[in-house]
Amino acid sequence: GAVVSQHPSWVICKSGTSVKIECRSLDFQATTMFWYRQFPKQSLMLMATSNEGSKATYEQGVEKDKFLINHASLTLSTLTVTSAHPEDSSFYICSARGSLGGDEQYFGPGTRLTVT
Amino acid sequence: QKEVEQNSGPLSVPEGAIASLNCTYSDRVSQSFFWYRQYSGKSPELIMSIYSNGDKEDGRFTAQLNKASQYVSLLIRDSQPSDSATYLCAVNFGNEKLTFGTGTRLTIIP
Repeated sequence: GAVVSQHPSWVICKSGTSVKIECRSLDFQATTMFWYRQFPKQSLMLMATSNEGSKATYEQGVEKDKFLINHASLTLSTLTVTSAHPEDSSFYICSARGSLGGDEQYFGPGTRLTVT
Repeated sequence: QKEVEQNSGPLSVPEGAIASLNCTYSDRVSQSFFWYRQYSGKSPELIMSIYSNGDKEDGRFTAQLNKASQYVSLLIRDSQPSDSATYLCAVNFGNEKLTFGTGTRLTIIP
Protein backbone atom coordinates (compact mmCIF):
# COMPACT_ATOMS: atom_id res chain seq x y z
CA GLY A 1 0.00 0.00 0.00
CA ALA A 2 0.84 3.75 0.01
CA VAL A 3 1.98 4.07 -3.57
CA VAL A 4 2.43 7.49 -5.16
CA SER A 5 3.16 7.90 -8.83
CA GLN A 6 4.46 10.86 -10.81
CA HIS A 7 4.34 11.57 -14.48
CA PRO A 8 6.48 12.21 -16.40
CA SER A 9 9.59 10.79 -14.78
CA TRP A 10 11.75 13.13 -16.81
CA VAL A 11 11.11 15.99 -19.20
CA ILE A 12 13.20 18.30 -21.34
CA CYS A 13 11.66 21.56 -22.46
CA LYS A 14 12.72 24.78 -24.09
CA SER A 15 13.09 27.99 -22.16
CA GLY A 16 9.83 29.92 -22.00
CA THR A 17 7.51 26.94 -22.28
CA SER A 18 5.34 25.44 -19.53
CA VAL A 19 5.54 21.95 -18.09
CA LYS A 20 2.89 20.06 -16.12
CA ILE A 21 3.78 17.34 -13.64
CA GLU A 22 1.14 14.98 -12.26
CA CYS A 23 1.19 13.32 -8.86
CA ARG A 24 -1.25 10.53 -8.05
CA SER A 25 -1.92 8.49 -4.94
CA LEU A 26 -2.75 5.04 -6.31
CA ASP A 27 -4.13 3.13 -3.33
CA PHE A 28 -5.18 5.74 -0.78
CA GLN A 29 -6.89 9.10 -0.66
CA ALA A 30 -4.48 11.99 -0.26
CA THR A 31 -6.06 14.80 1.71
CA THR A 32 -2.78 16.69 1.58
CA MET A 33 -0.07 16.71 -1.05
CA PHE A 34 3.30 18.38 -0.91
CA TRP A 35 5.63 19.52 -3.65
CA TYR A 36 9.39 19.56 -3.13
CA ARG A 37 12.36 20.53 -5.23
CA GLN A 38 15.85 19.12 -4.84
CA PHE A 39 19.01 20.39 -6.52
CA PRO A 40 22.01 18.04 -6.86
CA LYS A 41 23.67 17.20 -3.54
CA GLN A 42 21.27 19.49 -1.68
CA SER A 43 18.43 18.91 0.77
CA LEU A 44 14.78 18.64 -0.08
CA MET A 45 13.13 22.04 -0.28
CA LEU A 46 9.39 22.24 0.34
CA MET A 47 7.72 24.42 -2.27
CA ALA A 48 4.05 24.20 -1.34
CA THR A 49 1.35 22.30 0.50
CA SER A 50 -1.99 21.60 -1.11
CA ASN A 51 -5.21 20.31 0.37
CA GLU A 52 -7.89 18.85 -1.83
CA GLY A 53 -10.27 21.53 -3.04
CA SER A 54 -8.28 24.40 -1.53
CA LYS A 55 -5.66 26.82 -2.77
CA ALA A 56 -2.10 25.74 -2.22
CA THR A 57 0.02 27.29 0.51
CA TYR A 58 3.41 28.30 -0.81
CA GLU A 59 6.64 28.50 1.15
CA GLN A 60 8.40 31.80 1.46
CA GLY A 61 10.34 32.65 -1.67
CA VAL A 62 8.38 30.35 -3.99
CA GLU A 63 6.57 32.25 -6.74
CA LYS A 64 2.96 31.08 -6.82
CA ASP A 65 2.38 32.54 -10.28
CA LYS A 66 5.28 30.57 -11.65
CA PHE A 67 4.56 27.26 -9.93
CA LEU A 68 0.85 26.59 -10.30
CA ILE A 69 -0.53 23.84 -8.11
CA ASN A 70 -3.93 22.23 -8.48
CA HIS A 71 -5.27 19.55 -6.12
CA ALA A 72 -8.59 18.85 -7.76
CA SER A 73 -9.27 15.40 -6.32
CA LEU A 74 -8.23 13.18 -3.44
CA THR A 75 -5.87 11.26 -5.70
CA LEU A 76 -4.41 13.86 -8.05
CA SER A 77 -2.33 17.01 -7.72
CA THR A 78 -0.56 18.81 -10.53
CA LEU A 79 2.37 21.22 -10.59
CA THR A 80 2.76 23.44 -13.63
CA VAL A 81 6.05 25.24 -14.11
CA THR A 82 5.16 28.25 -16.24
CA SER A 83 7.62 30.05 -18.51
CA ALA A 84 10.39 27.70 -17.46
CA HIS A 85 13.99 28.89 -17.43
CA PRO A 86 17.24 26.93 -17.13
CA GLU A 87 17.45 27.77 -13.42
CA ASP A 88 14.19 25.85 -12.92
CA SER A 89 15.98 22.65 -13.93
CA SER A 90 15.74 20.41 -10.89
CA PHE A 91 14.30 17.22 -9.42
CA TYR A 92 10.66 17.81 -8.49
CA ILE A 93 9.15 15.37 -6.01
CA CYS A 94 5.62 15.15 -4.67
CA SER A 95 4.48 13.45 -1.51
CA ALA A 96 1.05 12.56 -0.23
CA ARG A 97 -0.50 12.13 3.18
CA GLY A 98 -3.97 10.95 3.74
CA SER A 99 -6.36 8.28 4.76
CA LEU A 100 -3.93 5.73 6.18
CA GLY A 101 -4.24 6.94 9.77
CA GLY A 102 -0.92 8.61 10.54
CA ASP A 103 1.21 11.62 9.62
CA GLU A 104 3.36 9.66 7.20
CA GLN A 105 4.18 11.26 3.87
CA TYR A 106 4.74 8.92 0.95
CA PHE A 107 6.88 10.20 -1.87
CA GLY A 108 6.46 9.80 -5.58
CA PRO A 109 9.47 8.76 -7.67
CA GLY A 110 10.17 12.33 -8.78
CA THR A 111 10.33 14.19 -12.07
CA ARG A 112 13.63 15.39 -13.45
CA LEU A 113 13.11 18.64 -15.35
CA THR A 114 15.73 20.01 -17.71
CA VAL A 115 15.12 23.39 -19.32
CA THR A 116 17.31 24.17 -22.33
CA GLN B 1 12.78 28.38 14.47
CA LYS B 2 11.99 24.68 14.38
CA GLU B 3 15.04 22.70 13.33
CA VAL B 4 16.14 19.14 12.76
CA GLU B 5 19.84 18.39 12.96
CA GLN B 6 21.78 15.43 11.69
CA ASN B 7 25.46 14.68 11.32
CA SER B 8 26.06 14.90 7.57
CA GLY B 9 28.66 12.13 7.63
CA PRO B 10 29.81 10.32 5.68
CA LEU B 11 29.40 7.46 8.10
CA SER B 12 31.24 4.30 7.12
CA VAL B 13 30.26 0.97 8.66
CA PRO B 14 31.58 -2.52 7.89
CA GLU B 15 29.15 -4.97 6.37
CA GLY B 16 27.36 -6.95 9.05
CA ALA B 17 27.87 -4.32 11.76
CA ILE B 18 25.29 -2.02 13.34
CA ALA B 19 24.88 1.43 11.80
CA SER B 20 23.67 4.12 14.21
CA LEU B 21 22.16 7.32 12.86
CA ASN B 22 21.22 10.19 15.13
CA CYS B 23 18.93 13.18 14.94
CA THR B 24 18.04 16.00 17.33
CA TYR B 25 15.16 18.44 17.05
CA SER B 26 14.36 21.77 18.54
CA ASP B 27 10.75 21.65 19.76
CA ARG B 28 9.55 19.56 22.72
CA VAL B 29 5.92 19.49 21.54
CA SER B 30 6.76 17.55 18.35
CA GLN B 31 4.51 14.54 17.98
CA SER B 32 5.68 12.43 15.08
CA PHE B 33 9.06 11.42 13.75
CA PHE B 34 10.18 9.69 10.60
CA TRP B 35 13.21 8.16 8.96
CA TYR B 36 13.52 8.16 5.19
CA ARG B 37 16.15 6.56 2.99
CA GLN B 38 17.21 8.26 -0.22
CA TYR B 39 19.40 6.63 -2.81
CA SER B 40 21.38 8.90 -5.11
CA GLY B 41 19.14 10.26 -7.85
CA LYS B 42 15.98 8.78 -6.33
CA SER B 43 13.19 10.11 -4.16
CA PRO B 44 12.95 9.46 -0.39
CA GLU B 45 11.45 6.20 0.83
CA LEU B 46 9.80 5.92 4.23
CA ILE B 47 11.56 3.40 6.49
CA MET B 48 10.13 4.03 9.93
CA SER B 49 7.72 6.25 11.77
CA ILE B 50 7.68 6.61 15.55
CA TYR B 51 5.25 8.49 17.74
CA SER B 52 5.95 7.33 21.32
CA ASN B 53 9.00 7.24 23.56
CA GLY B 54 10.99 4.04 23.38
CA ASP B 55 11.99 1.64 20.66
CA LYS B 56 10.16 0.50 17.57
CA GLU B 57 11.52 -2.40 15.58
CA ASP B 58 10.84 -3.40 11.97
CA GLY B 59 13.06 -6.10 10.60
CA ARG B 60 16.69 -4.95 10.73
CA PHE B 61 15.64 -1.39 11.60
CA THR B 62 15.01 0.01 15.08
CA ALA B 63 13.92 3.57 15.71
CA GLN B 64 14.49 5.02 19.18
CA LEU B 65 12.73 8.12 20.48
CA ASN B 66 13.54 10.12 23.61
CA LYS B 67 11.28 13.14 23.77
CA ALA B 68 12.81 14.47 26.98
CA SER B 69 16.20 14.67 25.28
CA GLN B 70 14.65 15.66 21.90
CA TYR B 71 16.52 12.87 20.24
CA VAL B 72 15.56 10.21 17.71
CA SER B 73 17.87 7.56 16.30
CA LEU B 74 17.83 4.77 13.74
CA LEU B 75 19.77 1.56 14.17
CA ILE B 76 20.40 -0.73 11.24
CA ARG B 77 21.47 -4.22 12.24
CA ASP B 78 23.46 -6.58 10.02
CA SER B 79 24.26 -3.73 7.64
CA GLN B 80 24.28 -4.61 3.96
CA PRO B 81 25.90 -2.78 1.02
CA SER B 82 22.37 -2.05 -0.21
CA ASP B 83 21.87 0.07 2.92
CA SER B 84 24.36 2.60 1.54
CA ALA B 85 22.27 5.74 1.05
CA THR B 86 21.45 9.09 2.62
CA TYR B 87 19.16 8.82 5.64
CA LEU B 88 16.81 11.72 6.31
CA CYS B 89 15.29 12.41 9.70
CA ALA B 90 11.96 14.25 9.56
CA VAL B 91 9.82 15.77 12.29
CA ASN B 92 6.23 16.96 12.27
CA PHE B 93 6.20 20.05 14.48
CA GLY B 94 2.41 20.11 14.46
CA ASN B 95 1.93 22.34 11.44
CA GLU B 96 1.10 19.66 8.86
CA LYS B 97 4.50 19.86 7.18
CA LEU B 98 7.57 17.74 7.78
CA THR B 99 10.84 19.45 8.62
CA PHE B 100 13.77 17.46 7.28
CA GLY B 101 17.32 17.27 8.47
CA THR B 102 20.06 17.62 5.90
CA GLY B 103 20.64 13.87 5.94
CA THR B 104 23.44 11.50 6.92
CA ARG B 105 25.30 9.75 4.14
CA LEU B 106 25.90 6.11 5.11
CA THR B 107 28.38 3.84 3.34
CA ILE B 108 28.50 0.13 4.12
CA ILE B 109 31.94 -1.27 3.42
CA PRO B 110 31.94 -4.86 2.08
